[in-house]
Amino acid sequence: SQTIHQWPATLVQPVGSPLSLECTVEGTSNPNLYWYRQAAGRGLQLLFYSVGIGQISSEVPQNLSASRPQDRQFILSSKKLLLSDSGFYLCAWSTGRTYEQYFGPGTRLTVT
Amino acid sequence: DQQVKQNSPSLSVQEGRISILNCDYTNSMFDYFLWYKKYPAEGPTFLISISSIKDKNEDGRFTVFLNKSAKHLSLHIVPSQPGDSAVYFCAGGWNQFYFGTGTSLTVIP
Repeated sequence: SQTIHQWPATLVQPVGSPLSLECTVEGTSNPNLYWYRQAAGRGLQLLFYSVGIGQISSEVPQNLSASRPQDRQFILSSKKLLLSDSGFYLCAWSTGRTYEQYFGPGTRLTVT
Repeated sequence: DQQVKQNSPSLSVQEGRISILNCDYTNSMFDYFLWYKKYPAEGPTFLISISSIKDKNEDGRFTVFLNKSAKHLSLHIVPSQPGDSAVYFCAGGWNQFYFGTGTSLTVIP
């Protein structure tokens, strides 16, 4: 069966510090991968998606970036965090053959 | 611009009764729709989906209805149970999906 892992589960970082969140998927190959953010009181906002290694599409211009160094690994990064980057970050995957997306447990990021 | 809207932020229902969660969308190109259930501090869990070529899909206690002309879909939960208390998100799209802001459902025992 397929599983998706995200870490860390919670993170508190000062403004201006770098960020690296990691997501890995097991039990499937060549998945589509997604990064979402849920800000307080808001819905899920798609940040990035990837249909293959090195292929990243950005939905929202901001100080975040994403990379996919391996087939089942998706990384969300920032060089300098802003207060507005606080939120709940979710990684998701889909087979690419069906539309359903499956989410990881999320990372709660607080920028202070 | 919010392409998917869930205009009711919260809903309370008595246990055993029907819960109806509503969702509206603006993009007529949306090919597929998804419903997710989310508990606090957890990732959303996929619940049920519907293709734009259908108007109804049923899975146990959960039924999703799609009205393409009105660009409206709804999720019916019958009978509602206390364990159904969660935030429900609808999403529409094709390759990528646009999510609503969620409706918090409380099922009262």
